[in-house]
Amino acid sequence: EAGVAQSPRYKIIEKRQSVAFWCNPISGHATLYWYQQILGQGPKLLIQFQNNGVVDDSQLPKDRFSAERLKGVDSTLKIQPAKLEDSAVYLCASSRPTGGGNTEAFFGQGTRLTVV
Amino acid sequence: DAKTTQPNSMESNEEEPVHLPCNHSTISGTDYIHWYRQLPSQGPEYVIHGLTSNVNNRMASLAIAEDRKSSTLILHRATLRDAAVYYCILTGGTSYGKLTFGQGTILTVHP
Repeated sequence: EAGVAQSPRYKIIEKRQSVAFWCNPISGHATLYWYQQILGQGPKLLIQFQNNGVVDDSQLPKDRFSAERLKGVDSTLKIQPAKLEDSAVYLCASSRPTGGGNTEAFFGQGTRLTVV
Repeated sequence: DAKTTQPNSMESNEEEPVHLPCNHSTISGTDYIHWYRQLPSQGPEYVIHGLTSNVNNRMASLAIAEDRKSSTLILHRATLRDAAVYYCILTGGTSYGKLTFGQGTILTVHP
């Protein structure tokens, strides 16, 4: 099966500019995650969708970050305005909706964002 | 979220077995034990998961202690391509599979 697709792979922007990342999950996967991974750290969950509803966005900086998942398929993560500390790799993942923990997640290659 | 503890780093020689430990003393009865790995410049990759019994797949084996407070990921014959950061993660309950990553174990494989 095709994997999780993300674009772009790389993005360089100036601080205070806006940026958007796109994710296409594996077909049939109802659960979609966005993670932020700062260099040298493990990925941190930003937001989790179940279909097009938000399950967890407790660590999403809502003053500057937003995410949507229209029609329960593709998703977009936006940062506006960007700060230097937003420089990171943004990972999208998806999984089947079995509930609980008896399912594996599939990750995309990520988008590396550099804010200068 | 229940917490896991892993060594910061481990080293192995190629073609030797590797045992990566993980402690999770606060695990709940519904938590699954997951292992993911992340190769350089790539997204995390699922390795294996289990609940109570030991599990085997083509990539690795997962040995779970009887009290479930610890587990060990076993790579039977390490290759240079196994050099990665390995994450032990607990997930379950109503989390819909939410994965909370820690720092993981950096595995170095020597030729």
